[in-house]
Amino acid sequence: DQQVKQNSPSLSVQEGRISILNCDYTNSMFDYFLWYKKYPAEGPTFLISISSIKDKNEDGRFTVFLNKSAKHLSLHIVPSQPGDSAVYFCAAYSGGYQKVTFGTGTKLQVIP
Amino acid sequence: DTGVSQDPRHKITKRGQNVTFRCDPISEHNRLYWYRQTLGQGPEFLTYFQNEAQLEKSRLLSDRFSAERPKGSFSTLEIQRTEQGDSAMYLCASSSSVLAGPIAATQYFGPGTRLLVL
Repeated sequence: DQQVKQNSPSLSVQEGRISILNCDYTNSMFDYFLWYKKYPAEGPTFLISISSIKDKNEDGRFTVFLNKSAKHLSLHIVPSQPGDSAVYFCAAYSGGYQKVTFGTGTKLQVIP
Repeated sequence: DTGVSQDPRHKITKRGQNVTFRCDPISEHNRLYWYRQTLGQGPEFLTYFQNEAQLEKSRLLSDRFSAERPKGSFSTLEIQRTEQGDSAMYLCASSSSVLAGPIAATQYFGPGTRLLVL
């Protein structure tokens, strides 16, 4: 049962443009949603999170939007930079279970 | 540097051998998680500790796998009688439950141990 889904395995974007990474979830009980970035041969690095009671959180070039009715969240990166090229994982945290569930990841390539 | 560390970074072993991995979490974090990641997948939860207590084990964790966290500091993950299907990246993460909210939700990962079973 895949509770967190990232349906796009890859995305290519031109440098300077907006990157939009999408994520869907099935469990309405998640308390927080997080985005992690992963470079090859490294562990995931925390990027940004959003509470389930919010609909937007912004941190510099990164903004996460949450649409609870659609059980959908997205990560916007503006402007995209070549250093943003990595695999991005969407994740959801349940305080009741004290666990994080990860999606399968989207590989972002930012083309100079 | 006080990040999460894991040792070894790479391990090649023959099928049937036992292997042990170590994780040192961020010192003030009381929660420690183990994940397994295979190609094209996100990290899959294996088990977690709060202080020294192992609070949950995934059904992915067969009886060949055992984890410990003596004294609530570092943790070890042992795989006995390794199989080729155990080949994966094993990730450790830590977090703090002292404060609720986003701090409790945010896990910090180590670099991982890549296991190859021949």
